[in-house]
Amino acid sequence: SAVISQKPSRDICQRGTSLTIQCQVDSQVTMMFWYRQQPGQSLTLIATANQGSEATYESGFVIDKFPISRPNLTFSTLTVSNMSPEDSSIYLCSVEGDRNYEQYFGPGTRLTVT
Amino acid sequence: AQSVTQLDSQVPVFEEAPVELRCNYSSSVSVYLFWYVQYPNQGLQLLLKYLSGSTLVKSINGFEAEFNKSQTSFHLRKPSVHISDTAEYFCAVTPFSGGYNKLIFGAGTRLAVHP
Repeated sequence: SAVISQKPSRDICQRGTSLTIQCQVDSQVTMMFWYRQQPGQSLTLIATANQGSEATYESGFVIDKFPISRPNLTFSTLTVSNMSPEDSSIYLCSVEGDRNYEQYFGPGTRLTVT
Repeated sequence: AQSVTQLDSQVPVFEEAPVELRCNYSSSVSVYLFWYVQYPNQGLQLLLKYLSGSTLVKSINGFEAEFNKSQTSFHLRKPSVHISDTAEYFCAVTPFSGGYNKLIFGAGTRLAVHP
C-alpha cells in the first residue's frame, strides 16, 4: 500500500480566504482522488485528478471553488477558494492501489472556517 | 447509480461482547464491497473487501463480513470487541467499470466500546 501525507494537517482560516492542501505519495500513481468529509457525515468525492489532464469534478463541485493541480505522478494540491463556514470539513486525498478497485487514504486536513 | 445504507449511526457495546454493523447497498450493476475504519483523528484504513469467491471475508484483527447477494447486504461482525475497536466504520461500494472506480460511502457507524 502507498504512504500518503497531507499538509497542513489542520488549519483555521477566515472567510473569504483560500487554502491550498498538499497531498504527497511515496510512489507513482495514476489516479488521485479528493474527498470531503463534513462534520458528522460520510465522505463525498470532490474530484478525480489524473496526471497530465484536467481534473474531473463530481456533481455539485466546480473548478472555480476547488481548483486542483496534478503536476506529477506523486503530488497533487486542492485549493478551497473564497471560503465560508460551510467549507469547514476534513479534506482527504486518496490514491488508487495496484488494483484499480482499491484506494488508500491520506490522514486528512481538518479545516475550520471562521 | 449506487447507494449505501448503514442502518445504525451509533452502536454502543461493552468490551468482549459481539457486535454487528449493518450495511445494505443498491446498485444496478455488480459491485465490489469494502469496509473502511477511521480511528479518532486518523485517516481511513481499508479493513476488508469482497471482490469475488467466498462470500465470507476476514480481516487480520478479527472482523469478518459476509456478502449476501439476495439481500444486497455486507454486514460487519466481530465476536468479541476490544476498547481499541472504538472507531467510525464506513461501508463502501465501487461498481465494476473496467476503468477507475469511484467509491460510494455509507454514512458511517460509530462503534463505541465501553469497559
